[in-house]
Amino acid sequence: EPEVTQTPSHQVTQMGQEVILRCVPISNHLYFYWYRQILGQKVEFLVSFYNNEISEKSEIFDDQFSVERPDGSNFTLKIRSTKLEDSAMYFCASSQGAGATGELFFGEGSRLTVL
Amino acid sequence: KNEVEQSPQNLTAQEGEFITINCSYSVGISALHWLQQHPGGGIVSLFMLSSGKKKHGRLIATINIQEKHSSLHITASHPRDSAVYICAAYTQGGSEKLVFGKGMKLTVNP
Repeated sequence: EPEVTQTPSHQVTQMGQEVILRCVPISNHLYFYWYRQILGQKVEFLVSFYNNEISEKSEIFDDQFSVERPDGSNFTLKIRSTKLEDSAMYFCASSQGAGATGELFFGEGSRLTVL
Repeated sequence: KNEVEQSPQNLTAQEGEFITINCSYSVGISALHWLQQHPGGGIVSLFMLSSGKKKHGRLIATINIQEKHSSLHITASHPRDSAVYICAAYTQGGSEKLVFGKGMKLTVNP
């Protein structure tokens, strides 16, 4: 069964450091997403990405965050200068269709710990 | 104000019981997901529905658009059903973002 894969599964970093979280979406999917879940809280939308550009983003997704699809297979989330409050589980997801038109597949998540 | 609410927040059941998890939402939606989050954190979509009812194995999901309410039913529950069950909705207007509920932690004891 096709799956979304994420690396690393866990990353520990110092405050102020740059972090890149990587995702390999399902190969024929066109829509890509990042979500995050702070420990004990609900999952929150960060950004959606289609046709090599951001199609929607939340208030959380400020200038410290960026996404790109550098090589047609990987989909990355970069946090430029991490803060303590960036500690969370980050989930990548992909689908063939936008929003409610496509079945959504999630990765296993990347846990980020900022010290 | 939460746009998507779930109840109860925690539920403990005995193996074999019929379980119902409820979700209500306060805004117009185009579709709703029921998701399962494993203890390790991974999320799996169980159903996406915009009307009526869907069934897969021992799981049944229903949605009532007029009442802004959805339910997930688990028949003949098993300890391996223990997980967090989350409902999440796409709001109307073509938004691609899912708005998540807080989830319901289900524990099924043998």
